[in-house]
Amino acid sequence: AQKVTQAQTEISVVEKEDVTLDCVYETRDTTYYLFWYKQPPSGELVFLIRRNSFDEQNEISGRYSWNFQKSTSSFNFTITASQVVDSAVYFCALSEGGSQGNLIFGKGTKLSVKP
Amino acid sequence: EAQVTQNPRYLITVTGKKLTVTCSQNMNHEYMSWYRQDPGLGLRQIYYSMNVEVTDKGDVPEGYKVSRKEKRNFPLILESPSPNQTSLYFCASSLNGLHQPQHFGDGTRLSIL
Repeated sequence: AQKVTQAQTEISVVEKEDVTLDCVYETRDTTYYLFWYKQPPSGELVFLIRRNSFDEQNEISGRYSWNFQKSTSSFNFTITASQVVDSAVYFCALSEGGSQGNLIFGKGTKLSVKP
Repeated sequence: EAQVTQNPRYLITVTGKKLTVTCSQNMNHEYMSWYRQDPGLGLRQIYYSMNVEVTDKGDVPEGYKVSRKEKRNFPLILESPSPNQTSLYFCASSLNGLHQPQHFGDGTRLSIL
């Protein structure tokens, strides 16, 4: 069965610190997709990144980077030089290849960045 | 502007009074779905639709109905709401499935008294 675990419920950092949000997943499929979404205090859900199971290249987008490791079933998200605007709840999610109706979300990590 | 629009954004109602939350997307997406978000539980899928007239249950469908008569609309119906359906609801759409990023509406906060 699919499962996504975000072990960190809440993280608090001071501005300019680097922070890593952990995501560990379980799936029996060889083809699957991993996502990160951001939910700022205003409540909307914003797509950040998608990775498929055949692409283990790490990705960097500005201050954001993602580390996908199939060997440890992890898809971790790092924010470098955090800013107050990064304060949000971040969700990791998994869908299996060919699946029509099962996007499994982790329970989310609430990140607070203090000035 | 490409968007998913949900209405109402907020609703307080009473047990047993039928309600409908509307969802409309203007991106010609085939795939649409509904989620509920509860503290400590993350988002859980209620129903999804691969295309017009095709709907199926997600993880928590009990107490909900949906319909997909037109491509752009995917209403969520609570025939007899109960307090345990008090939650934050999100509608989402994507071009044609879960392997693509989902576009979410702004959410509907329902309180069932």
